[in-house]
Amino acid sequence: EAQVTQNPRYLITVTGKKLTVTCSQNMNHEYMSWYRQDPGLGLRQIYYSMNVEVTDKGDVPEGYKVSRKEKRNFPLILESPSPNQTSLYFCASSQGGMNTEAFFGQGTRLTVV
Amino acid sequence: GENVEQHPSTLSVQEGDSAVIKCTYSDSASNYFPWYKQELGKRPQLIIDIRSNVGEKKDQRIAVTLNKTAKHFSLHITETQPEDSAVYFCAATSSGTYKYIFGTGTRLKVLA
Repeated sequence: EAQVTQNPRYLITVTGKKLTVTCSQNMNHEYMSWYRQDPGLGLRQIYYSMNVEVTDKGDVPEGYKVSRKEKRNFPLILESPSPNQTSLYFCASSQGGMNTEAFFGQGTRLTVV
Repeated sequence: GENVEQHPSTLSVQEGDSAVIKCTYSDSASNYFPWYKQELGKRPQLIIDIRSNVGEKKDQRIAVTLNKTAKHFSLHITETQPEDSAVYFCAATSSGTYKYIFGTGTRLKVLA
């Protein structure tokens, strides 16, 4: 089954404790991206990747890191989480670049206390 | 920077009526305009999209129109049903910036 898989689905952590949210797709998509969803603000792009080893900042990259060592995986790293990073996070992938449908993962609800 | 404005933020309609959601984009290089539906607790899913070389596209009760000159596009849902209740997001992408930018969402409530 074609899908985008994120883990974990839910995470509660403490300020400053490094964490990684994993994202994997099995559709051989080139374009992958991370979004955070906050009430009233919609989906804001954090980082995106056009292919292996090619990443760039979206609109809200501060406090986040990403890597794209393999085509299927695009992990989101929070080196030192803060409470303002409490949010619902979605990973998405698209075939053939960003001008096509984005397939979303199930979402990760992160709480930083 | 590039942005997409979406209105209204909430919309209530009677079952069977039509609903219209409007978006305006700022990047004139934008060339792909998808619409996503997000049901409560679920992930966003594409319902319809349109490219810059097309003015209108229809899929059953859903249609999207694009006005490139004015840089706005709209989602039209006819004969609304309770299962249409959800949050709808518009988006715009640009070959120039490689960004995929979403609007802030519209919560649609269809009242039975």
